[in-house]
Amino acid sequence: QSALTQPPSASGSPGQSVTISCTGTSSDVGGYYYVSWYQQLPGKAPQLIIYEVTKRPSGVPDRFSGSKSGNTASLTVSGLQAEDEADYYCSSYAGSNNFVVFGGGTKLTVL
Amino acid sequence: EVQLLESGGDLVQPGGSLRLSCAASGFTFSAFAMSWVRQAPGKGLEWVSAVTVGGDITYYADSVKGRFTVSRDNSKNTLYLQMNSLRAEDTALYFCAKISTKSYKIDPWGQGTLVTVSS
Repeated sequence: QSALTQPPSASGSPGQSVTISCTGTSSDVGGYYYVSWYQQLPGKAPQLIIYEVTKRPSGVPDRFSGSKSGNTASLTVSGLQAEDEADYYCSSYAGSNNFVVFGGGTKLTVL
Repeated sequence: EVQLLESGGDLVQPGGSLRLSCAASGFTFSAFAMSWVRQAPGKGLEWVSAVTVGGDITYYADSVKGRFTVSRDNSKNTLYLQMNSLRAEDTALYFCAKISTKSYKIDPWGQGTLVTVSS
């Protein structure tokens, strides 16, 4: 099982928007509409922020949005706030053999 | 409130065994698939295993297949991970989580239990 590919780091100033990519293959990201995104604050467990590519769980600000094109999914954080500084991970369903695969994670820094 | 509380993490020698437990509360445990995800120190997330509601269908990452066994006891609202033939690369924080088999979203997560494999 190969991990999905994410940039190791991303950054932006408060109020700006930043987009994090997550590239897979036609066997995972490109083949299903089951991409999720997780935010992990330092020393904490991951928290779901996006599922099924574009859906937000209740309580997640609408500053967080997701999209997908072909084998690449993206997470956009608009109106960056200091509290958004965290590690972000994507995941995708990868079929009954590989089940779920994660990206390597992106460290988002708010400048 | 949904709570997932992992336990059983410890320091174990290479080749050894360990059983992790995850006690669930605040939701109907028997109605949901469950999963284990691990995170090596300073590294990213790695999906490890999942089990369906009845415990009859299980899934494993290639890295643990044949060494780890996931199971559940719905009468005790508890998820287990039996880990055998442990290797140094299995050293990680192991999270228990609820997983949807409709959307494959993993939510919520427990706080994790630390497994260290070292001589």
